[in-house]
Amino acid sequence: GNSVTQMEGPVTLSEEAFLTINCTYTATGYPSLFWYVQYPGEGLQLLLKATKADDKGSNKGFEATYRKETTSFHLEKGSVQVSDSAVYFCALSDRSTGNQFYFGTGTSLTVIP
Amino acid sequence: GAVVSQHPSWVICKSGTSVKIECRSLDFQATTMFWYRQFPKQSLMLMATSNEGSKATYEQGVEKDKFLINHASLTLSTLTVTSAHPEDSSFYICSARRAGDTQYFGPGTRLTVL
Repeated sequence: GNSVTQMEGPVTLSEEAFLTINCTYTATGYPSLFWYVQYPGEGLQLLLKATKADDKGSNKGFEATYRKETTSFHLEKGSVQVSDSAVYFCALSDRSTGNQFYFGTGTSLTVIP
Repeated sequence: GAVVSQHPSWVICKSGTSVKIECRSLDFQATTMFWYRQFPKQSLMLMATSNEGSKATYEQGVEKDKFLINHASLTLSTLTVTSAHPEDSSFYICSARRAGDTQYFGPGTRLTVL
């Protein structure tokens, strides 16, 4: 079946530190992969996505590369800011299951000045 | 564009009462809306999928008589938790999708049943 496993938090970093949040997946078909971000009191916002192997999604300094060989889609940012404090969700959508979304548990990130 | 709202953002109710949660797509017409449930420190779990004007499709293990879903228009879906009990306490999130597009998520509703 389809599932997503992501690094448990919470993660606390100092401003300008390097961020990695690990995400691995299992899928029966050829999924699209996503990272969503949820700021306090707000809805889930699409951060970036990749639709096929070796694609790199990027947005706001965040990057993630779709690695089929390792079934991974790790989120990275070279220099985090206080405003990046949020909960990050890795997710997949598989056309073979009607584009249903499967989410990871979410990773809470706090960036301190 | 593509904003989804939910109302209320949080609700506390007594055991045995029913609670209605609204999900609205504010600036687009959503042919399909989804309802998710999220337990603390767990994934979002899809509860049901609803298409405007038709009955919702429930995921396995979700009681359709317990969680009533109505998708009466292209901009509104409601989830009614009937005869709520403390185990129904959770974070409920909706999403909306227009044809050929991805899902856009609402901010969620925190339900606490006393």
